[in-house]
Amino acid sequence: KNQVEQSPQSLIILEGKNCTLQCNYTVSPFSNLRWYKQDTGRGPVSLTIMTFSENTKSNGRYTATLDADTKQSSLHITASQLSDSASYICVVSALTSWDSSYKLIFGSGTRLLVRP
Amino acid sequence: DAGITQSPRYKITETGRQVTLMCHQTWSHSYMFWYRQDLGHGLRLIYYSAAADITDKGEVPDGYVVSRSKTENFPLTLESATRSQTSVYFCASTGRETQYFGPGTRLLVL
Repeated sequence: KNQVEQSPQSLIILEGKNCTLQCNYTVSPFSNLRWYKQDTGRGPVSLTIMTFSENTKSNGRYTATLDADTKQSSLHITASQLSDSASYICVVSALTSWDSSYKLIFGSGTRLLVRP
Repeated sequence: DAGITQSPRYKITETGRQVTLMCHQTWSHSYMFWYRQDLGHGLRLIYYSAAADITDKGEVPDGYVVSRSKTENFPLTLESATRSQTSVYFCASTGRETQYFGPGTRLLVL
């Protein structure tokens, strides 16, 4: 069964600190992995997207890593800011071969709270 | 306005009523999606559309109907709303492998 599991469910850190969010998946065949940020009351916004051959991708203070062998990804946030308080969702695409479309499998998200 | 919009943003209805949620995108993206988001669950796919007049069921399609007569619009209809359909509904479209989400519609079914 295709699944995406994220940990921790929630996290509280102090402003300026770093943190790492985890994503483990069992999705086949794998197409790509995305990290989204969802602010309260808004739709998710894409942070990064990585394909099988990419190990690391950065977007400002956000750095995503991917280990396709162990089927694990992490999102590292550097020097956190209050505006980083949000839910972070890991999404894995499974390529469906019969029509070349893709299926997105969503994790439940990690809720991050950055305190001053 | 450019982008993807949803209407209404908030809706309260009663059990048994028909409700239609609207979604409009200005990019001419082929793929469009409807998700629901509930506490304790990730986003769950209700229906998706690969192009105008082409729709397909997602993970949780029961109780919902969609249509796609025009590329830019993808309305979602709850034919007879139930309390279990109380949720936040997100519409999305995909371009260049990036999925863009609308702001969401909060639906409360009493």
